[in-house]
Amino acid sequence: IAGITQAPTSQILAAGRRMTLRCTQDMRHNAMYWYRQDLGLGLRLIHYSNTAGTTGKGEVPDGYSVSRANTDDFPLTLASAVPSQTSVYFCASSEGEEDEQFFGPGTRLTVL
Amino acid sequence: GQNIDQPTEMTATEGAIVQINCTYQTSGFNGLFWYQQHAGEAPTFLSYNVLDGLEEKGRFSSFLSRSKGYSYLLLKELQMKDSASYLCAVKDGDYKLSFGAGTTVTVRA
Repeated sequence: IAGITQAPTSQILAAGRRMTLRCTQDMRHNAMYWYRQDLGLGLRLIHYSNTAGTTGKGEVPDGYSVSRANTDDFPLTLASAVPSQTSVYFCASSEGEEDEQFFGPGTRLTVL
Repeated sequence: GQNIDQPTEMTATEGAIVQINCTYQTSGFNGLFWYQQHAGEAPTFLSYNVLDGLEEKGRFSSFLSRSKGYSYLLLKELQMKDSASYLCAVKDGDYKLSFGAGTTVTVRA
C-alpha cells in the first residue's frame, strides 16, 4: 500500500542520548517535511526538503538535523535529546511544494 | 512566524451544521488547506482554496476571502465520526505550511 511509514511508533529516551526518527515514502514525492505537534500549539515545521539532496530549516529547527540522500527517505536526528523535545513527530510528503501534504502515522517521543 | 487563529472547541448535534472559522496573517499567500485529525492519528487532507469563493466536497465545504484573511470550513449533516480536530493551514510566499492550533469538534447524539 502506497504511503508514508515512520519508525519507531513510540520511544522513551534518556536526556542526552542521540536518536534518529525514520521516515520513508513510496509515492515518489519530491518534497518531504518534519513537524512536531504539541498540545495547544498545533503542528510546527522543523525541517523540510524540496527535493533529494537539499534541505531547509523550518520554524523550530534547533536541536534537530535532517538529511535527504534519496527521494524516499528523510530521517530526523536529535543529536542530544532534551525534555522539551518530548512531542509527537509527524513526517509528511508532497509531490511539489505547492501541493497537499500527506502525513505519516507519527512517532510519539518522550525524553526523560 | 505566521498568525493563524481558529476556535479551540465546538460542540454540535448529530445531523446539524457546524462552521469553523479561521483568520490568518501571513507573509505572502499560496493557498489555504483544511485537515482533519482524529485523536491519536495523522492529519488527513480535506480541502484546498487558493482563489476566493466556495469549494464543495460532499458534506464538507470550504470558503476563502483573501482580502479579509478569512476562511471557514462547513460541515453539514454531522455524523458521530466527524468528531475530530480540524486544522487550518496556510501556505506562505515561500510555500511553507503554517498550522493553526486546531478546532476540536464534538458531535453529540
